[in-house]
Amino acid sequence: KQEVTQIPAALSVPEGENLVLNCSFTDSAIYNLQWFRQDPGKGLTSLLLIQSSQREQTSGRLNASLDKSSGRSTLYIAASQPGDSATYLCAVPTDSWGKLQFGAGTQVVVTP
Amino acid sequence: EPEVTQTPSHQVTQMGQEVILRCVPISNHLYFYWYRQILGQKVEFLVSFYNNEISEKSEIFDDQFSVERPDGSNFTLKIRSTKLEDSAMYFCASSDWDSSGNTIYFGEGSWLTVV
Repeated sequence: KQEVTQIPAALSVPEGENLVLNCSFTDSAIYNLQWFRQDPGKGLTSLLLIQSSQREQTSGRLNASLDKSSGRSTLYIAASQPGDSATYLCAVPTDSWGKLQFGAGTQVVVTP
Repeated sequence: EPEVTQTPSHQVTQMGQEVILRCVPISNHLYFYWYRQILGQKVEFLVSFYNNEISEKSEIFDDQFSVERPDGSNFTLKIRSTKLEDSAMYFCASSDWDSSGNTIYFGEGSWLTVV
């Protein structure tokens, strides 16, 4: 059974620092890995999807890496801003029918 | 940018009442999903729907739950007789193809409070 873990559970950084968020999964036979952002009481905003054949995926200040063999993905957010404060979730599909297994998330606070 | 829309944003209901949560997926998408998140817990898969039938459901999705696509645009989740433990944020999601290679887009959620 696929388990997804995100450590740390919470992170606080001063504005301008780079953020490094970790996601690990137990079964390396994944199709892809998706990173989401969730603001308090709100929905999930898709940030990046990285395919199993890719090592990296970039979108603006965001960069996600994937190492299937070690069961890890890392989301880097460059030059953090207070508006980046949110919970960041990673998820992997356990099959092709949309059953995503989510991590518990990392709650990020960027202080001005 | 196209988005998944959900109504209502918040609903309070009495235990034992029926609730219908509504969703309008992104228009050219073929796969539809419901997830839920109990306060402080992980987001959990409930059900996926393709070609007018359920393609997969979790153990949470028991006989009290049902889904329907009554027309070409709406996708609904019905809870027949709500329990206190059904209190959660319910997310609708959609994708243009299966999840093996495609982004799944989520709505803003419907908060359900059962009292």
